[in-house]
Amino acid sequence: GEDVEQSLFLSVREGDSSVINCTYTDSSSTYLYWYKQEPGAGLQLLTYIFSNMDMKQDQRLTVLLNKKDKHLSLRIADTQTGDSAIYFCAESPFLNSGGYQKVTFGTGTKLQVIP
Amino acid sequence: GAGVSQTPSNKVTEKGKYVELRCDPISGHTALYWYRQSLGQGPEFLIYFQGTGAADDSGLPNDRFFAVRPEGSVSTLKIQRTERGDSAVYLCASSLSFASNTGELFFGEGSRLTVL
Repeated sequence: GEDVEQSLFLSVREGDSSVINCTYTDSSSTYLYWYKQEPGAGLQLLTYIFSNMDMKQDQRLTVLLNKKDKHLSLRIADTQTGDSAIYFCAESPFLNSGGYQKVTFGTGTKLQVIP
Repeated sequence: GAGVSQTPSNKVTEKGKYVELRCDPISGHTALYWYRQSLGQGPEFLIYFQGTGAADDSGLPNDRFFAVRPEGSVSTLKIQRTERGDSAVYLCASSLSFASNTGELFFGEGSRLTVL
């Protein structure tokens, strides 16, 4: 079955770059996502990438995809204290005819930003 | 409100009791998902609804768990004969038909279930 793995914890200083890594096993993964979960709040989509892309940049966020190694990373430039949260990598395979996608989440990486 | 609403936010029950958790999705979202998140873990898929029907219930752990969505909007997750291992945060998410968007899931804040 699908499996998504992440390191559990990352600590960086404010202003530095953060890189959160993720590996997945499902070779049919078509959509790959990064969700953010702040304390006491629901998960929110940060960004996504399609499997036919290598890189996607969105303001301070850069997503890199190495499809051969099934490796996804999220880089946050100029990390701020407000970026402290848990970041979840997630993947979804090709759609079925009903438009359904089953999204599988990783265990999450807790990012701590030190002022 | 405009977001996904889940009630109750917290539920404490005794082992063996019956529990219902409710999810009110974003208006117009046809897809509804239930996930379970244990401490220190990522969300674990339970069941998915497209409209009123359960399109995929492969994540339900056993027959004590059941979910309904009778009118294609509000959904209820039902847990019978609760066990201590059922303690977790139960997350609900909704989305538009995937073909028309990026497949973003909109999550509620979750219902924290504690079984004593």
